[in-house]
Amino acid sequence: EAAVTQSPRNKVTVTGGNVTLSCRQTNSHNYMYWYRQDTGHGLRLIHYSYGAGNLQIGDVPDGYKATRTTQEDFFLLLELASPSQTSLYFCASSRQGDTEVFFGKGTRLTVV
Amino acid sequence: QQKVQQSPESLIVPEGGMASLNCTSSDRNVDYFWWYRQHSGKSPKMLMSIFSNGEKEEGRFTVHLNKASLHTSLHIRDSQPSDSALYLCAAAGYGSSGNKLIFGIGTLLSVKP
Repeated sequence: EAAVTQSPRNKVTVTGGNVTLSCRQTNSHNYMYWYRQDTGHGLRLIHYSYGAGNLQIGDVPDGYKATRTTQEDFFLLLELASPSQTSLYFCASSRQGDTEVFFGKGTRLTVV
Repeated sequence: QQKVQQSPESLIVPEGGMASLNCTSSDRNVDYFWWYRQHSGKSPKMLMSIFSNGEKEEGRFTVHLNKASLHTSLHIRDSQPSDSALYLCAAAGYGSSGNKLIFGIGTLLSVKP
């Protein structure tokens, strides 16, 4: 099965702090995604990319930056973390835009 | 407002019973749907996809799609306690937005022994 590895798995930071969430896929997939999952809102797309150096804006991008450095690596950056960004973050990848999306195990971020 | 609406929010069925879950998109640019299943504390995993009008069956799971109404439904027959999970419907299109997958809030299914 396709492998998507997220790190860290858990993170606590203070309001105003910098956080970087990392994601690596070894599936040679073109597309990579960052979602956040919150009760009452479901999975919401933050940013996505269809190749190294490419970045597309999702539905809830405010307060987040992302960078796709290689085919394998996709990073999510929170430069001034706020409590509203406390959430469960999923990275995912897919071969193409209309093929199965594979999710990582998630990163639980708490901003205090 | 959610672009992908799912109903019901939660559902309890007896073991061996039929579970029926619904999903509708308000975005006319949607071309296909996916169903994902997420067990508690786990990440979502793809269950079924449907790209064409009609019905698709895989084992105990059947998916229907009506493209005119942008409505899809998932039916689970002979439900098992292991089917208890959050079921997520996702929709996407082939337009300029690059096939980004938009998820609904989900239906929480509980199968009681």
